[in-house]
Amino acid sequence: QKEVEQNSGPLSVPEGAIASLNCTYSDRGSQSFFWYRQYSGKSPELIMSIYSNGDKEDGRFTAQLNKASQYVSLLIRDSQPSDSATYLCAVGLSGANNLFFGTGTRLTVIP
Amino acid sequence: DAGVIQSPRHEVTEMGQEVTLRCKPISGHNSLFWYRQTMMRGLELLIYFNNNVPIDDSGMPEDRFSAKMPNASFSTLKIQPSEPRDSAVYFCASSLGTVQETQYFGPGTRLLVL
Repeated sequence: QKEVEQNSGPLSVPEGAIASLNCTYSDRGSQSFFWYRQYSGKSPELIMSIYSNGDKEDGRFTAQLNKASQYVSLLIRDSQPSDSATYLCAVGLSGANNLFFGTGTRLTVIP
Repeated sequence: DAGVIQSPRHEVTEMGQEVTLRCKPISGHNSLFWYRQTMMRGLELLIYFNNNVPIDDSGMPEDRFSAKMPNASFSTLKIQPSEPRDSAVYFCASSLGTVQETQYFGPGTRLLVL
């Protein structure tokens, strides 16, 4: 079983809709959670980090963490064509030397 | 701040040649990471330095790969000899502290081994 799993997509949503990206992880000791956005041919850039159960909002982005169910999600409200990218989920274990990255979900926002 | 700087941005070489990738982390960051990204395997951690000391190199594929961090502002990843299966994008990232903190990625080096 992979440490971090994401639906590879592609996920297509119309402009203005809500895009929902999901990520599950296998280790209950995981303590830090990150969403990165990666445009084609570019490097990953941080969108959100979340450490506690519940929701964390930043502009059009909301990260949701549920440690009991071992999933973290990213909601993008009012999706824009510029949001079209691959979204990587990363999970860190306390005391570990590694962030485990999912393989990413490709999102396409259709104008 | 200029962010994480990597060079070269693109490298094309022939099998058997030595390849050296370079990275300058963000000033003040204590941790540096080398990743490799391919379509098949996604983003994989190769090695992690903290305060210039290699902490975890379990992701280094084999003895052909080596990494150094002689000071807080410079790191190299060397492949000798290179093989076609080493073709990938290699990213360097840095963070203020440990793995648990946000990592900032450089632009990457796109390596093609013929």
